[in-house]
Parts: sequence; structure tokens; C-alpha cells
Amino acid sequence: DQQVKQNSPSLSVQEGRISILNCDYTNSMFDYFLWYKKYPAEGPTFLISISSIKDKNEDGRFTVFLNKSAKHLSLHIVPSQPGDSAVYFCAALHSTSGTYKYIFGTGTRLKVLA
Amino acid sequence: SAVISQKPSRDICQRGTSLTIQCQVDSQVTMMFWYRQQPGQSLTLIATANQGSEATYESGFVIDKFPISRPNLTFSTLTVSNMSPEDSSIYLCSVDENYGYTFGSGTRLTVV
Repeated sequence: DQQVKQNSPSLSVQEGRISILNCDYTNSMFDYFLWYKKYPAEGPTFLISISSIKDKNEDGRFTVFLNKSAKHLSLHIVPSQPGDSAVYFCAALHSTSGTYKYIFGTGTRLKVLA
Repeated sequence: SAVISQKPSRDICQRGTSLTIQCQVDSQVTMMFWYRQQPGQSLTLIATANQGSEATYESGFVIDKFPISRPNLTFSTLTVSNMSPEDSSIYLCSVDENYGYTFGSGTRLTVV
């Protein structure tokens, strides 16, 4: 059962335009979410996070929106740059019985066209 | 954030053999996490490694197949034992920071 879903395996965007990456989750108990970016032959790197007490968090060109009622979050990149071409993973923090772990989506490959 | 050195970066192994992956962190951390990313799949947690105690394995992963060592607060190893082609994946170690995980660069394993 995939609790965190990224239904778009790939996305192509023109340089300078907005990139919107989507993520859906099924567990309403998730209360912290992250986005990671991964380049080939490198580990994922943290990009931005959001707590469930917020519906928006912004860091430069990157903004994450959280819609708790829809169990949906999205990452907006504007303006998109060729260096943003990477695989983007969303992740949710799952806490239970004093332990925790991050559950990841399957990733979306973003290609920004020059 | 922590800096993690992971090696080897990649390897091609014969089925039936074992490979040990090493992760060295530049600071002391209580827990280290081992993930696997199979082709086209999400990152899946294999186990959590605490220093001084046995690793805690997720459902579907067992110690005999993926033994883990955690001899001190800056180092851990994951062994993939008796490999089969289905073990071909990227293996990643990670540590918990205040905001989320920092990952090593990954080990791309191909079993032939």
C-alpha cells in the first residue's frame, strides 16, 4: 500500500516557466512533509519542508503548498531553470509507538528545457 | 548539515556473493537509516541502526539477508548477502537532522 504517491513519473517545462510537482498521501496522521531533489549518481538532498500547521512554505524559487483536507501537497518552482532538472521525491513523516520514519513517493523526473 | 561518505559508489556482483556498504558520518549521530531504491520505485526503509544495539528491521527485511553493524556513533555498514538479481538497487544511508534526513551519495548495485 503506497501511502505517498507521486502520480506523474515525469514532467517537462520550459525554462523560465513554473514547474508544479504533485504529491498525494493517504494517512491523515502525517503531520510533516518534505521534498527532496536527486541528481544522477548522488543521494537525495533536502529541498523544503512543511508542517501540517501551515498551508504554505516558501524558500526562494521554491514554494510548497499543503492541502490537508485533500491530502495533497505540491511543489512550485518559479522560474524554472535547467539546473532544476532532477528527480523530485516527496516524503511524509510517519510516527508510531515512539518510533518514526519517512515514507517516500516514487519520484517525478523534472526536465527543464532551455 | 552532516556530511556522509558512502562507498562503494557502485559495484557489479555475481549472484550468491555478498557486498558490504560503508557509511562514515562527519559527526556523531544516534541513529542511522538504510534505504533501498529499486528501479522505478520509491525509497524504502530497510532498517534503523542504533549504536550499541541491534538494528530494527522493517517488514520484509531480515537480518540474515541485510546484516548491519554500528560499531560507533559515526560509522555503519550494511551487507547485502547471498545476492540475487532482485537485489539490484541503489542503497542509501542517511542520518536525521532537525529538518529531515541527509543522505549519502548511494551505492548502485548490479547483480548478474
